[in-house]
Amino acid sequence: GAVVSQHPSRVICKSGTSVKIECRSLDFQATTMFWYRQFPKQSLMLMATSNEGSKATYEQGVEKDKFLINHASLTLSTLTVTSAHPEDSSFYICSASSPGYTDTQYFGPGTRLTVL
Amino acid sequence: EDQVTQSPEALRLQEGESSSLNCSYTVSGLRGLFWYRQDPGKGPEFLFTLYSAGEEKEKERLKATLTKKESFLHITAPKPEDSATYLCAVQRPSGTYKYIFGTGTRLKVLA
Repeated sequence: GAVVSQHPSRVICKSGTSVKIECRSLDFQATTMFWYRQFPKQSLMLMATSNEGSKATYEQGVEKDKFLINHASLTLSTLTVTSAHPEDSSFYICSASSPGYTDTQYFGPGTRLTVL
Repeated sequence: EDQVTQSPEALRLQEGESSSLNCSYTVSGLRGLFWYRQDPGKGPEFLFTLYSAGEEKEKERLKATLTKKESFLHITAPKPEDSATYLCAVQRPSGTYKYIFGTGTRLKVLA
């Protein structure tokens, strides 16, 4: 199956700092990438959908100025959590797909963010 | 309203005790139904994609089936390493290719 990586796998930061998370599709070109957030023992909550070369589409209730998404190439998308606060602590997971080639989303291993 | 419901919420099995997980859905059209396995602290791992009623897919001890209203993930003679949360997701036929996820079934297989 397709391989998606995320970096870093774990990050701890102080309140007020910004954190960037990278998501890479390693063996296919991902025209669409998705960013999710997952709380303990809950399912995945979609935050935004990004298409290569265009602005991300955010789900209702997700602050676009807080969670900046960039999808500059067919293999890389980044999520920047700006001015992070303790309530932003969570498990962030990206997925990649290439509609027209495969509808299946392939997920990265996730990034655990802890804001102190 | 589009909805995906998984049952049971949690399931404990003895090693070798076969069972089935259910994913029922109400969506306006179905582009695809997807099964994933998620281990604690990791991202979901892709298992199967099903597109039309009557379709079946198999992989080792797992078999996924699809009807017009639900999908089953059958686990035959499970082993402790099959313990995980199993997630079902559906995709609508048009638009953004987003998934609608179920809440998952937490499976524990005891040795």
